[in-house]
Amino acid sequence: EVQLVESGGGLVQPGGSLRLSCAASGFSFNNYWMSWVRQAPGKGLEWVANIKEDGSEKNYVDSVKGRLTISRDNAKKSLYLQMNSLRAEDTAIYYCARGRGAHDYWGQGTLVTVSS
Amino acid sequence: SYELTQPPSVSVSPGQTARITCSGDALTKKYAYWYQQKSGQAPVLVIYEDSKRPSGIPERFSGSTSGTMATLTISGAQVEDEADYYCYSTDSSGNLFVFGTGTKVTVI
Repeated sequence: EVQLVESGGGLVQPGGSLRLSCAASGFSFNNYWMSWVRQAPGKGLEWVANIKEDGSEKNYVDSVKGRLTISRDNAKKSLYLQMNSLRAEDTAIYYCARGRGAHDYWGQGTLVTVSS
Repeated sequence: SYELTQPPSVSVSPGQTARITCSGDALTKKYAYWYQQKSGQAPVLVIYEDSKRPSGIPERFSGSTSGTMATLTISGAQVEDEADYYCYSTDSSGNLFVFGTGTKVTVI
């Protein structure tokens, strides 16, 4: 059974940092692009970033470039999102999702709240 | 930045057909994907590569494209189809993805 489990969310002050993790199981993690998608409270979905199977290509939405960094560890079957210089507008549920366009599996999401 | 535009809401009676449109300049060359999201849940892929249906998705869900518009059609809508629906695609570079503005479907 394919499973994606996010962790690492929480309350952080503006300007602070947080590292999200996504543990994958039930499929060959190193054969898939992986993505992060977020959803601010009461708002729509927003694609954040994706990473190629071997980590050689990464793409980001303009609003997070230079502040958020996607990475992966194929040996640990894990996806990460390092979040620096956080702003109030980064407050959202963060989902990890398998794939690049067709996200056929999603995690349950982890809530990040940026507030003083 | 690239945008995909959807109507905010669509209402349909049970058993009738709902059509949700998604407009974007790059849709002439890039695939459209559609996601269903029910309240408090993670999104679910219902259509990929314009018109393909993942296994487990009911046949009443179908997708099509024409020019700069993609359309999700729910034929014979059911009460359980009430949800927010989002289209999803890339800009002309193919590297940056974007979700549509979202459409709330009400089945009443």
